[in-house]
Amino acid sequence: EVQLVESGGGLVQPGRSLRLSCAASGFTFDDYAMHWVRQAPGKGLEWVSGISWNSGSIGYADSVKGRFTISRDNAKNSLYLQMNSLRAEDTALYYCAKSTTPLYGSGSHYDYWGQGTLVTVSS
Amino acid sequence: QSVLTQPPSVSAAPGQKVTISCSGSSSNIGNNYVSWYQQLPGTAPKLLIYDNNKRPSGIPDRFSGSKSGTSATLGITGLQTGDEADYYCGTWDSSLSAEVFGGGTKLTVL
Repeated sequence: EVQLVESGGGLVQPGRSLRLSCAASGFTFDDYAMHWVRQAPGKGLEWVSGISWNSGSIGYADSVKGRFTISRDNAKNSLYLQMNSLRAEDTALYYCAKSTTPLYGSGSHYDYWGQGTLVTVSS
Repeated sequence: QSVLTQPPSVSAAPGQKVTISCSGSSSNIGNNYVSWYQQLPGTAPKLLIYDNNKRPSGIPDRFSGSKSGTSATLGITGLQTGDEADYYCGTWDSSLSAEVFGGGTKLTVL
């Protein structure tokens, strides 16, 4: 059974940092690209970042570019999101999502999602 | 403002059929596959349709997808109260080099 379990969320002040983790199991982690998707309270889905199977290709939404860094450790079956210079508008439930292809980009979709970890940015 | 445009809400009676539209442009829907996700209240999104019109195993054939030009449509027949959820379309945008989603459509089964 595929499982994606996010952790690391919490309440943080504006300008501070937070690191999210996603522990994956039930599939061959290094066969697939992985993504972070967020959902602000009462709002829709927003793609945040994606990373290919070997970390060779990475992308970010314009809203987080330069502040967030995605990474993965295939030996630990884990995905990460380092979030720096956090803003109030980054407040959201952050989902880890598994791609159906090894490459980040066109042609993929998300067949499994975690339950999310809540990030609240407030003073 | 989402890159993909969906109606905020749709409604229909149990047993009836409903369609949800998703409008984009040549840089996204026009040249890439579309997927659809169902988000039941308080839960994570779930893949419903991929590659425009394919259903993952376990998704009933009451759910269907289609694409024409720069628009896509999700159809649901034989509506059930358990179908009440938010539905999102998604695709890759080649100009943005980013995955984009519609704003979501809330389905109410009256």
